[in-house]
Amino acid sequence: AIQMTQSPSSLSASVGDRVTITCRASQDIRNDLGWYQQKPGKAPNLLIYAASSLQSGVPSRFSGSGSGTHFTLTITSLQPEDFATYYCLQDYNYPWTFGQGTKVEVK
Amino acid sequence: EVQLVDSGGGVAQPGGSLRLSCAASGFTFDDYSMHWVRQVPGKGLEWVSLISWDGGTTYYADSVKGRFTSSRDNSKNSLYLQMNSLRTEDTALYYCARSGNGFPLFDYWGQGTLVTVSS
Repeated sequence: AIQMTQSPSSLSASVGDRVTITCRASQDIRNDLGWYQQKPGKAPNLLIYAASSLQSGVPSRFSGSGSGTHFTLTITSLQPEDFATYYCLQDYNYPWTFGQGTKVEVK
Repeated sequence: EVQLVDSGGGVAQPGGSLRLSCAASGFTFDDYSMHWVRQVPGKGLEWVSLISWDGGTTYYADSVKGRFTSSRDNSKNSLYLQMNSLRTEDTALYYCARSGNGFPLFDYWGQGTLVTVSS
């Protein structure tokens, strides 16, 4: 199975900060990667698919980039509602695999 | 409005069985592949299984292969997960999720149903 290594596992940030989360795949997955946001007690919410395509309804401050084995999720100006846990997910082949998650906390 | 409602969770003993259900509404169910994803409370997400739109293709995580079976009844807009030979490590919140419209990643999720495996 493809291993997805996400970093950092947590970070502290302030409203207005630029935040970057990284995901590395153990093999080339082209651009078959998505990013999800999860808030406590809620199901995850899709932010980005195909590495860089913004899901409908997601604010433009979220962006994704990368291909092959290195991917990033960037939040350009962190808002209060963005404090949550973020996961990457590869859909290149089965079994699909998630990264370990990155918790974005208030500094 | 797309809705997925998960049910069937509960407490089972190690070696026991449970059957989860997911009732879908608000979209043409048999146009979409469906997935199960689980999450140990307070921990990360784990993809469990995929079933294609017609039920003809299924994939499973290695951790559940041979023990779990995903099925669907398109006439009832329903997805199922039969869980046999349950282990304590299967304890988790189980979500059904729909593949996206034009892309494979899940775009809609159920609310989850909690499975606890304990003696």
